[in-house]
Amino acid sequence: DIQMTQSPSSLSASVGDRVTITCRAGQNIDTYLNWYQQTPGKAPRLLIYAAASLQSGVPSRFSGTMSGTDFTLTISSLQPEDFATYFCQQTYSKSTFGGGTKVEIK
Amino acid sequence: QVQLVESGGGVVQPGRSLRLSCVVSGFTFSGCGMHWVRQAPGKGLEWVAFIWHDGSKEYYSDSVKGRFTISRDNSKNTLFLQIESLRDDDTARYYCARDPGRTTMTHLDYWGQGVLVTVSS
Repeated sequence: DIQMTQSPSSLSASVGDRVTITCRAGQNIDTYLNWYQQTPGKAPRLLIYAAASLQSGVPSRFSGTMSGTDFTLTISSLQPEDFATYFCQQTYSKSTFGGGTKVEIK
Repeated sequence: QVQLVESGGGVVQPGRSLRLSCVVSGFTFSGCGMHWVRQAPGKGLEWVAFIWHDGSKEYYSDSVKGRFTISRDNSKNTLFLQIESLRDDDTARYYCARDPGRTTMTHLDYWGQGVLVTVSS
């Protein structure tokens, strides 16, 4: 299985902050990397697919980039509704999720 | 609109079997691959299985291979997950999710609300 190492596991931030979450793949996964947001009691929501494509209906403050086997989710200006847990997922070889990053209010 | 509704969960004794269902609407079911993903209480997401749009090929995580079987009935717009020999660590919320890829895993763009399976004697 391809390991996905996500960091940090949690962070505290304020409304308006720029937030960056990283996911490192254990091997090459091309652009088969997706990002999801999950709020308590809800199903995950797709934010970014294929490393950098914004899912329809997702605000443009969310963006994804890649450099080799390192992938980054950036929230340019954190909004109150963005306090949630974020997961990366690879679909290059079967599928694996990262461990998650909980974004909390500072 | 796209809807996925899971059912079949509940409290089950260790060693027993269970079949989960996911009825979908709002899109052409036979045109999409489908996944099951689970989440243990307070934990992260774990991918479980994927099935091709026509049901002809399946993939499983190493942790469930041999005990779980994913299947689908395209005539009834329904996805299934058969779970055998339930163990304590199968306790989780199980989600079905759509993949727009027919035979390749791409991304999970629509999810059900999930169904809770609790393994307990």
